[in-house]
Amino acid sequence: EADIYQTPRYLVIGTGKKITLECSQTMGHDKMYWYQQDPGMELHLIHYSYGVNSTEKGDLSSESTVSRIRTEHFPLTLESARPSHTSQYLCASSPGLAGARDTQYFGPGTRLTVL
Amino acid sequence: DQQVKQNSPSLSVQEGRISILNCDYTNSMFDYFLWYKKYPAEGPTFLISISSIKDKNEDGRFTVFLNKSAKHLSLHIVPSQPGDSAVYFCAATMQGGSEKLVFGKGTKLTVNP
Repeated sequence: EADIYQTPRYLVIGTGKKITLECSQTMGHDKMYWYQQDPGMELHLIHYSYGVNSTEKGDLSSESTVSRIRTEHFPLTLESARPSHTSQYLCASSPGLAGARDTQYFGPGTRLTVL
Repeated sequence: DQQVKQNSPSLSVQEGRISILNCDYTNSMFDYFLWYKKYPAEGPTFLISISSIKDKNEDGRFTVFLNKSAKHLSLHIVPSQPGDSAVYFCAATMQGGSEKLVFGKGTKLTVNP
């Protein structure tokens, strides 16, 4: 069973606040990902990391930033939240042996609402 | 521009019958396809995959068929069970070590007892 955790699960916050969404995995996976998903829509990759000190932007432009200081931890930060950031954010990890063909293990997601 | 399309937002079947979920893609560079299943309030979980060098892959009750010429794949679930009720996402990636999965919008399957 995959061990990947996201906190908080739900967050309602006012415009202009700084927020950090936490993601941790205990599988020792090198690769980690952040996806954004609106209801009834596709998952869009917004950030990914090959390993410690490696971060890349995904296909969907995002005002968020990420860091990867430890293998197990991949937090996502929004410096100033806006209503347009309202969405579900899903974190995932994979062993990193075969690129996107690897099975990705997803956390339960954070549902963010910005008022 | 959607490269992976799941044109049926929902599907309802009776327990014990076959469920067929469809997925179309437009990018001929895609060469590996995956299906993920998502229950409410949980993250997606990997279900089954297929490489473009195959036209069928089977895992228990789940079979994925790939028709490259039609740029179409389908997931068959036989027999369907109430626990299969979930949203199913089709995803694709291309060779070259790309890190990017391109997802469809998902099909919500309901299996009625």
